[in-house]
Amino acid sequence: SQTIHQWPATLVQPVGSPLSLECTVEGTSNPNLYWYRQAAGRGLQLLFYSVGIGQISSEVPQNLSASRPQDRQFILSSKKLLLSDSGFYLCASNKGVADTQYFGPGTRLTVL
Amino acid sequence: QKEVEQNSGPLSVPEGAIASLNCTYSDRGSQSFFWYRQYSGKSPELIMFIYSNGDKEDGRFTAQLNKASQYVSLLIRDSQPSDSATYLCAVNKGSGAGSYQLTFGKGTKLSVIP
Repeated sequence: SQTIHQWPATLVQPVGSPLSLECTVEGTSNPNLYWYRQAAGRGLQLLFYSVGIGQISSEVPQNLSASRPQDRQFILSSKKLLLSDSGFYLCASNKGVADTQYFGPGTRLTVL
Repeated sequence: QKEVEQNSGPLSVPEGAIASLNCTYSDRGSQSFFWYRQYSGKSPELIMFIYSNGDKEDGRFTAQLNKASQYVSLLIRDSQPSDSATYLCAVNKGSGAGSYQLTFGKGTKLSVIP
């Protein structure tokens, strides 16, 4: 079975600073990978998904970007954080399009 | 109209009772339906998935799907305090544009009272 790792677990960053969150997956190959954000009092919002190396689809235009440099590595980045970027960032993975998505432990980001 | 709607709760039930969690969705073409449990401060974990109309049982959990009414529910029998969490309903179109996307409801907070 697959295992999803995310780091860091928690992060406090000042407004305007850069961001890099990493997600890696073990126990599977060529997974679909997803970045979600869960803001306080709001539902899970899909930010990006990737079906393969270098293939990124953006669901929500914003100051965040994603990259997939390796098959089982997914990175979420920002050049300048906004207060509204605070939230719980979750990486998820599945194999098929409509297959169950499994979530990593998440990164809690606070932008001050 | 919101794509996936759930009552935010909190839903309070006594220990040992049946908890009934409901979800409605707007896209009639939706194919796959998922229930996740999320403890406070933790990531969602899958409880059940259901693809076909009718009931699907797994231990104390039963998922019910009615595509004609665009309604999916989760029943938890013999509720335990450890079931206290937020339950997220998620829907996938399964094909075509947006087929990779899971659309989540905001979740229903369940509290099981000892």
